[in-house]
Amino acid sequence: DSGVTQTPKHLITATGQRVTLRCSPRSGDLSVYWYQQSLDQGLQFLIQYYNGEERAKGNILERFSAQQFPDLHSELNLSSLELGDSALYFCASSTTATNEKLFFGSGTQLSVL
Amino acid sequence: GESVGLHLPTLSVQEGDNSIINCAYSNSASDYFIWYKQESGKGPQFIIDIRSNMDKRQGQRVTVLLNKTVKHLSLQIAATQPGDSAVYFCAERAAGNKLTFGGGTRVLVKP
Repeated sequence: DSGVTQTPKHLITATGQRVTLRCSPRSGDLSVYWYQQSLDQGLQFLIQYYNGEERAKGNILERFSAQQFPDLHSELNLSSLELGDSALYFCASSTTATNEKLFFGSGTQLSVL
Repeated sequence: GESVGLHLPTLSVQEGDNSIINCAYSNSASDYFIWYKQESGKGPQFIIDIRSNMDKRQGQRVTVLLNKTVKHLSLQIAATQPGDSAVYFCAERAAGNKLTFGGGTRVLVKP
């Protein structure tokens, strides 16, 4: 167990809908990262927050947004969902902001039908 | 990113043998590297990391070797066990402190 908690584990929804994925980092970790994993694109970095502030952005679509709350948990919001958004979404956390020793949660499997 | 899933390179290893998983990285300015293990249905699990000022680092049953001259990273697993069957990813940290993951290698341990 990495100590990173993601909910829900599975999510099935329809095109055009909006969903929220939730992540609780390991105790003491200030950085939260979101990654998308699909069969044809591997692990793709979406966005990073550090102590409540956006730190870095990767290949995140404009339809997607995230935030980190004062208690350091994070949410990833996906809207106007398309079939191609079906993927595993992982949250990871680390102590520092510098992308070292990321610990991953078990992921949310999103299926858009 | 590179292609993964059905097109993953696969390493078949006999139980008890040593495994060597290779990774070519792209950026000569990368200063930090990390290996992850991902079992089916689970998130990536941290194995070992190494900074660019080192050539070798050892953990429990694992060794990471870094060859900056040819931009090559390898993970050696000693006495491979059935529980080592998984997909292994390397990642490099380069410009902007972002981690870039490789496509992964599937390791199958034969009893």
